Amino acid sequence: SQQGEEDPQALSIQEGENATMNCSYKTSINNLQWYRQNSGRGLVHLILIRSNEREKHSGRLRVTLDTSKKSSSLLITASRAADTASYFCATDPVDNNNDMRFGAGTRLTVKP
Amino acid sequence: NAGVTQTPKFQVLKTGQSMTLQCAQDMNHNSMYWYRQDPGMGLRLIYYSASEGTTDKGEVPNGYNVSRLNKREFSLRLESAAPSQTSVYFCASSDGRYKETQYFGPGTRLLVL
Repeated sequence: SQQGEEDPQALSIQEGENATMNCSYKTSINNLQWYRQNSGRGLVHLILIRSNEREKHSGRLRVTLDTSKKSSSLLITASRAADTASYFCATDPVDNNNDMRFGAGTRLTVKP
Repeated sequence: NAGVTQTPKFQVLKTGQSMTLQCAQDMNHNSMYWYRQDPGMGLRLIYYSASEGTTDKGEVPNGYNVSRLNKREFSLRLESAAPSQTSVYFCASSDGRYKETQYFGPGTRLLVL
């Protein structure tokens, strides 16, 4: 079963605008990761945030984590056409040593 | 470094046929994983190997077997393919603690008729 659920399922913005995607999950986690997938390609790791962290930055990416609400957000600032991709959150549940759980993803389209 | 490589890129099988998907990584990672990705769903873990010589079931292991041939290679076998196994299969690897950052291969598109 999926642990993370991204919202919205699809997002379309103009180049230069900011894009915000959200991820909600159900159980306590050790960490949460965001990945990007370009069409027809494998996933690429973007950023990892641990359960004791509240915010992390990497270039134009900003990730927040609210463990009390069991949610995370990914903000991409000053978006570019090259940011067009699907974005997935993946959670590392505390009570499951076997695997990470991926959401269904947010499909982001950035129009030039 | 090639990272994570997968072969083949695309395969068509008839129901009941068998095949092996190959995966190799050149990053000296301990852990390797096989996922499947279906439309509208996230990745689901089929099997994983936390270290050379060990394998464990993930969320959806039925119909699959795996072999961790050595530290570099982790193969996924479909003994008797079914249409429900039509999917895109991704191999991934990670270093250090299990479930830290994973590096993914380009995927294998499998169509079972």
